[in-house]
Amino acid sequence: AQSVTQLDSQVPVFEEAPVELRCNYSSSVSVYLFWYVQYPNQGLQLLLKYLSGSTLVKGINGFEAEFNKSQTSFHLRKPSVHISDTAEYFCAVSGGGADGLTFGKGTHLIIQP
Amino acid sequence: EAGVAQSPRYKIIEKRQSVAFWCNPISGHATLYWYQQILGQGPKLLIQFQNNGVVDDSQLPKDRFSAERLKGVDSTLKIQPAKLEDSAVYLCASSQGRGHETQYFGPGTRLLVL
Repeated sequence: AQSVTQLDSQVPVFEEAPVELRCNYSSSVSVYLFWYVQYPNQGLQLLLKYLSGSTLVKGINGFEAEFNKSQTSFHLRKPSVHISDTAEYFCAVSGGGADGLTFGKGTHLIIQP
Repeated sequence: EAGVAQSPRYKIIEKRQSVAFWCNPISGHATLYWYQQILGQGPKLLIQFQNNGVVDDSQLPKDRFSAERLKGVDSTLKIQPAKLEDSAVYLCASSQGRGHETQYFGPGTRLLVL
């Protein structure tokens, strides 16, 4: 069985400051890792995904994430956030023959002016 | 390209009533998923279809939930009878194929059971 832990339910940060949203996963098999974003009153949208290869993955809107197998982590980062980044961010995992995504509980990113 | 369509967007019912949700995936997408998202939690997979066949329904409460995708295109998820704990957002997603293909999500149906 797979599981995802997002360590922070809320992360407040000032506009133009850097941010890191933490994600740890548990799995006994090789996994694929994803970050999705959910803007207010909108559906989930893929930010980026790690399948294989380079452990640093770049996504949309200036976000990037680094896969760390030894620490079973896939933290999301952005060097400078904007008000428009206010949203709920979900880390997810799939693999081991299962296509469906197992999601974490989400992290609410709050941008303060 | 049109996205994943879902209807209705909102539904309020009394407990023990039945309800149905509809999903139309992106054209050409063979794989369709239904997820349940309870307030404050991440989405949880209920069922996965590949064309009109079920791939995974291990987390579907089969005593009250059912789903079908008869022609391999649109899909219906039904709850009968509904319980208070079924209050959630029901999300439909589709992908071109299986495995690590990107899943595209619809806007969801928000269900409130009173």
